Amino acid sequence: QVQLQESGPGLVKPSETLSLTCTVSGGSISSYYWSWIRQPPGKGLEWIGYIYYSGSTNYNPSLKSRVTISVDTSKNQFSLKLSSVTAADTAVYYCARDPAYCGGDCYPSGYFDLWGRGTLVTVSS
Amino acid sequence: SYELTQPPSVSVSPGQTARITCSADALPKQYAYWYQQKPGQAPVLVIYKDSERPSGIPERFSGSSSGTTVTLTISGVQAEDEADYYCQSADSSGTYHYVFGTGTKVTVL
Repeated sequence: QVQLQESGPGLVKPSETLSLTCTVSGGSISSYYWSWIRQPPGKGLEWIGYIYYSGSTNYNPSLKSRVTISVDTSKNQFSLKLSSVTAADTAVYYCARDPAYCGGDCYPSGYFDLWGRGTLVTVSS
Repeated sequence: SYELTQPPSVSVSPGQTARITCSADALPKQYAYWYQQKPGQAPVLVIYKDSERPSGIPERFSGSSSGTTVTLTISGVQAEDEADYYCQSADSSGTYHYVFGTGTKVTVL
């Protein structure tokens, strides 16, 4: 079955850029929207943004100035970059799948039916 | 900004019914979705489009909607249902910006 796996450094210094990759295995990255979601320790979930396999993106307005999400269909991967990080960016970062619905065009369904296990990223010097 | 408000906690005895509300602060309301998250695990989708249940989710989980409030109901609660539950929706502007609720801790007494 399809599985998602986050990877990347678990420790990032303040003011630097956090970089994570999500690898999709057991299925194709095509025809879905793919999101990053984070959860600070002991707190709730926050949607960061999504990318369609074609490359179109949509970001949380509160993070938009610092976020870049990209996709590599040849590797079945998509990635997150979050710049100028502070301690407030310390969180478990999840990648997740949004099943698109298609009429003529395809749109996000608006929910997440498959999640990775998450990876903890700590921002500290 | 668009907000979804949930009660911080709900306590219920085994076999009883737990109801978790999620209130939106703006109209029109978009579809709502519910996730269950157990400690140290990723969230799992338990309800989509207000009241639809994904395959593999027990029938005791149901969802409903009225006005700007959606409700997750767990009938005949079992010990394994103890978890955090989050509602989720999109903001009302149609820009596909997703928002999660504040989360509810369900404790099975």
